[in-house]
Amino acid sequence: QSVLTQPPSVSAAPGQKVTISCSGSSSNIANNYVSWYQQLPGTAPKLLIYDNDERPSGIPDRFSGSKSGTSVTLDITGLQTGDEADYYCGTWDSSLNTWVFGGGTKLTVL
Amino acid sequence: EVQLVQSGAEVKEPGESLKISCKTSGYSFNTYYVGWVRQTPGKGLECLGIIYPGDSETIYSPSFQGQVTISADKSISTVYLQWTSLEASDTAIYYCARVVGIRHENHYMDVWGKGTTVTVSS
Repeated sequence: QSVLTQPPSVSAAPGQKVTISCSGSSSNIANNYVSWYQQLPGTAPKLLIYDNDERPSGIPDRFSGSKSGTSVTLDITGLQTGDEADYYCGTWDSSLNTWVFGGGTKLTVL
Repeated sequence: EVQLVQSGAEVKEPGESLKISCKTSGYSFNTYYVGWVRQTPGKGLECLGIIYPGDSETIYSPSFQGQVTISADKSISTVYLQWTSLEASDTAIYYCARVVGIRHENHYMDVWGKGTTVTVSS
């Protein structure tokens, strides 16, 4: 099992909004910054969100992140078929002294 | 442009050794951590460890401590991941990624290599 917990899958129709959750603990999410990664089929992960809610240049504002306590969420609005991918949350774990990832969430755009 | 170019796919037998590489360019190699991340179908993404080339400080994930060696060659801006005795369970895609952030608490991985597929089979 992964240190961070994500739902295995989510789905929604084109144009709709989807929320992906990621829960952890005081040794990781609660006290460290979280980032999100998008992995399209057959490609390497790509940075989507950093520092809980910041978007790198080139990432559309349809993607947004937020944090509350030991959980973070990734919201994707105006869903497009091209958003179908696996999404991972990641952060430093101060107890394990290493980087940890969530198990990943597969997004299906129906 | 920041780039991380990884070495090609490898097919090895159990017990063999292996060293894969990640050549970086487009930034100051000595001043950013570089991490290695493993992806297997059953376990998603796992960080093996990170290295700071400036002083070779290396932090291994507890799960991989003693199983792999991470090193860096500053003269050619390249980071390595090495095994002395491969096992079938090492079969995976291995990614390197640049780590941004002054402290571990605000680290994130902003640029990733395309991955190196390692297959261990007899």
